[in-house]
Amino acid sequence: EAGVVQSPRYKIIEKKQPVAFWCNPISGHNTLYWYLQNLGQGPELLIRYENEEAVDDSQLPKDRFSAERLKGVDSTLKIQPAELGDSAVYLCASSLQGGYGYTFGSGTRLTVV
Amino acid sequence: QKEVEQNSGPLSVPEGAIASLNCTYSDRGSQSFFWYRQYSGKSPELIMSIYSNGDKEDGRFTAQLNKASQYVSLLIRDSQPSDSATYLCAVRGSQGNLIFGKGTKLSVKP
Repeated sequence: EAGVVQSPRYKIIEKKQPVAFWCNPISGHNTLYWYLQNLGQGPELLIRYENEEAVDDSQLPKDRFSAERLKGVDSTLKIQPAELGDSAVYLCASSLQGGYGYTFGSGTRLTVV
Repeated sequence: QKEVEQNSGPLSVPEGAIASLNCTYSDRGSQSFFWYRQYSGKSPELIMSIYSNGDKEDGRFTAQLNKASQYVSLLIRDSQPSDSATYLCAVRGSQGNLIFGKGTKLSVKP
């Protein structure tokens, strides 16, 4: 069974530029999460999807961040415009609906210069 | 007070010793608890889950839960250099999402 797939693995952009990250969850997993992890910190939730619906986006900075999950499968997280403080690892995870533990993808390491 | 607290370490133990990692949480209503291992530059990997008071053993790993004290721990017996990683404690919050601590960095010395 393929795991959670994320791309790209690394991205370097200049500040004020847009950037997008893509995630393909484990087949059959209804729930998809985007987390942000700063160096030396634990992951922090940005948004959670149940199928196509964003059920918790309270921590998503909506002035510059947006996300979508079309057809309840793949998801895209976008930042526009990026700021220096957005440099971090962006992790996608998925689980069965109501699942107790979830599986993370390999993450995208973003560097904003 | 942060919702999930861990000592950031580093915790250094000799090879073959028992490593003890601790975690406290603030939401008394929490019911589900997890330990993730994260190697440097890699993503978190689920190693243990525990839902009831007491101990749960899986190979060299034992998770312990005390809901009255709001305390979760992870014991690693016969520690190996390959166990060197950051261990993240996670608690399922009221919204259904996992809330992570900052993690404890473990170093096992040969």
